Amino acid sequence: QLQLQESGPGLVKPSETLSLTCTVSGGSISSSSYYWGWIRQPPGKGLEWIGSIYYSGSTYYNPSLKSRVTISVDTSKNQFSLKLSSVTAADTAVYYCARRGTDRWHWYFDLWGRGTLVTVSS
Amino acid sequence: AIRMTQSPSSLSASTGDRVTITCRASQGISSYLAWYQQKPGKAPKLLIYAASTLQSGVPSRFSGSGSGTDFTLTISCLQSEDFATYYCQQYYSYPLTFGQGTRLEIK
Repeated sequence: QLQLQESGPGLVKPSETLSLTCTVSGGSISSSSYYWGWIRQPPGKGLEWIGSIYYSGSTYYNPSLKSRVTISVDTSKNQFSLKLSSVTAADTAVYYCARRGTDRWHWYFDLWGRGTLVTVSS
Repeated sequence: AIRMTQSPSSLSASTGDRVTITCRASQGISSYLAWYQQKPGKAPKLLIYAASTLQSGVPSRFSGSGSGTDFTLTISCLQSEDFATYYCQQYYSYPLTFGQGTRLEIK
């Protein structure tokens, strides 16, 4: 059974770079059927899509964050990663990794990690 | 970006009730719409995709309808485990966007 697990620091200082990794277990990240992505949720608020990556390295980013976001993939480790630069308190959120389909009718997120809370504070 | 607006923002209901949540898109999105359920401290769970297709394992009391700009999620007979927050998501175009959520509470 395929599972996703986020990992990374729970506390990041303002102006620094937030770095998270999502490990895919029970299946291959190199599947031609899926994109792998990041979604965040500030405490008590709604969901915001950050971006998605294909195993080949092809990416899509939310324009609202594009200037600060880099998503990369390491197929040898079955992992993909998120880097968000120049963070502020507004970037404090639970960060989820999730899977979506590549087919046009399957761009919804059918599998999610448990999420990890990242707090931006000095 | 396509804006998704849910109504109501919160809703109180009793076990056994039938409830409907609405999601409106700022422009037409055909049937490229998904619904999620989120319980406190948990990740969202996919309920419905393509506006009306039930995800495997989701109880049949959940149903979705609509196309274009107006969509609904209906729970036909509320169970205790259904009290949660519900989100819609459009996947017609990038950036992928979510509604602000509807919190379903016990009356």
